[in-house]
This record gives sequence, C-alpha cells and structure tokens, in this order.
Amino acid sequence: GAGVSQSPSNKVTEKGKDVELRCDPISGHTALYWYRQSLGQGLEFLIYFQGNSAPDKSGLPSDRFSAERTGGSVSTLTIQRTQQEDSAVYLCASSLAGLPGEQFFGPGTRLTVL
Amino acid sequence: EDKVVQSPLSLVVHEGDTVTLNCSYEVTNFRSLLWYKQEKKAPTFLFMLTSSGIEKKSGRLSSILDKKELFSILNITATQTGDSAVYLCAVEKTGANNLFFGTGTRLTVIP
Repeated sequence: GAGVSQSPSNKVTEKGKDVELRCDPISGHTALYWYRQSLGQGLEFLIYFQGNSAPDKSGLPSDRFSAERTGGSVSTLTIQRTQQEDSAVYLCASSLAGLPGEQFFGPGTRLTVL
Repeated sequence: EDKVVQSPLSLVVHEGDTVTLNCSYEVTNFRSLLWYKQEKKAPTFLFMLTSSGIEKKSGRLSSILDKKELFSILNITATQTGDSAVYLCAVEKTGANNLFFGTGTRLTVIP
C-alpha cells in the first residue's frame, strides 16, 4: 500500500481480555516500530524490528506485551490480560533500514480497556 | 536520563497570529531533532534538523536548532485554523533504534 496501515482503528475491550493489534508497513521498509501514546502524552517507544534481526524489546512495559513480525512485513502487537492503564493509542511506524529519523507513521489503533 | 521537554503544553491563538513552540533536550549521542504535526492520530513529518543555526522553512512554518543551548524552536506565521494540532518534537540518537519524543504542544487556532 501507499502508507502504513493499522487495524483495527478502534478497539474496546474488557479488563482481563487479550487483544491483538496489526500493522502493515510500507512495502520495502525493513524497519518497523511500535509506540504507545497515552492521553496527553508523547509517544513512548515499545519495540523495534529490523529485518531478520532479534527485535529490540527494551520499551515493552511488562511481560503482558509481546510483538511479532512475520515474513519481515506485517507485525502484530499482543497485549494479554489487558488493564485499564493499557488504554492508549498504539502507533506503528516503518522506515528504511537504519533511518529511524525517517519513520512514517500509521493512523494508530485507539485501545480502550473498560 | 534522556529528556525532551516541550513548552508550552498548550496554546490558544487567533488566526493570523505568529506562534513559537519550544523544544529543549538533554540526550547523549544526539544525531538529529525532528518536528511532527499530529492532527488526529498519525504524526506527519515536518522538519529534520541536524546542524545548528540553519533555518529550515516550509511555507509559513520554519524551524531552527541550537546545539550549544540544546533547543529548537518551531515558528508558524499567519496561523490558520488548519494549523490546530499537537506539535511533537523528537530526538534521534546515534546507535538508538527509536525516536525519543516530548509530550507535545497542543495548538488551537481560533477563527
């Protein structure tokens, strides 16, 4: 596609349920990033994938959060046993390898945990 | 600890006003500073600054970086209602995989 796409655009779930968020990066972009933006806050880095290298998971806030990237393209972010503090907009971005300063962002998924 | 601080947190102006948004940073291994505009969800790229004192300009928007005093400003002249958005500042560090963001400045332009 022309840009980064994410689905769903909105997700409402009950506390304790698992959710999966999907990101489809720009074709040819080998680097993929997940960020979280809580209300009134800046973007908080979660995880980074580059090609077939081991991901940089240093930003994941707890072991309830995990992500995978299949075939070097689509990525899914999974949050298990969701909590109310997980409510946020989850943004995905992609870039060419080694160029984090040239990330293109997707429209995000707004997650609401009731 | 790395810090990116933006001010003001929010700003309300009238159409036609000029605004200046501030971003100060304290990071190791600084590589570049970026400005984004976030209207709904997806931040859109405005500027990347790597060198001190060189103004980057795009229409009514301009930005400059001061690497000695560790800050950048984003200027918007003759503001329009379409400029209403959250403006995010981010820093890229050498050797880091991600960008470090400030909390943003919410700009509201009133007709």
